[in-house]
Amino acid sequence: DTGVSQNPRHKITKRGQNVTFRCDPISEHNRLYWYRQTLGQGPEFLTYFQNEAQLEKSRLLSDRFSAERPKGSFSTLEIQRTEQGDSAMYLCASSLDQGIHGYTFGSGTRLTVV
Amino acid sequence: GEDVEQSLFLSVREGDSSVINCTYTDSSSTYLYWYKQEPGAGLQLLTYIFSNMDMKQDQRLTVLLNKKDKHLSLRIADTQTGDSAIYFCAESISSDKLIFGTGTRLQVFP
Repeated sequence: DTGVSQNPRHKITKRGQNVTFRCDPISEHNRLYWYRQTLGQGPEFLTYFQNEAQLEKSRLLSDRFSAERPKGSFSTLEIQRTEQGDSAMYLCASSLDQGIHGYTFGSGTRLTVV
Repeated sequence: GEDVEQSLFLSVREGDSSVINCTYTDSSSTYLYWYKQEPGAGLQLLTYIFSNMDMKQDQRLTVLLNKKDKHLSLRIADTQTGDSAIYFCAESISSDKLIFGTGTRLQVFP
């Protein structure tokens, strides 16, 4: 297993377009998390899944954001009608159960909205 | 409320010890973590401590936890240039998510 994989690494899009990111977690990890990190800040929690169930969503996750984990394996994060304020690094992480021993993060997808 | 604070910047000479500090507000935190982030990369877990411990040592890393003052520190012994990065502390809230600080940029000079 090569760890948590995120695609694409970089995405440049025009304002108003939709974008979708993919995260492949470590195969035996049942929990998957999405975080957003803007320049000079720490990661901010967006949402997490246990298997295919989305258990919590942050207030940061507006109705333009949707995340899925249909078969309890990979996950997608879609942003509709992108805005310049959506420009950030989107990080995915996975853990076994509650992640007592920490989460494993992917390298992130950097989104630039122009 | 949930809030984690760190100083923004630390500069040390190679070979010296570095101490990065963090304060948190949620007394129900169960685990506290230190992550390292290098430019353009994701976060790498360095170490963690359970809230009923006050110290943990792992090779060059020593974590001290003062639960009364809600203060966490990370000491890096014999700091090397490869340790230059941003260091984040994070608290586990209800074992469902991590709340991160703003990060401390560590610069190591020769």
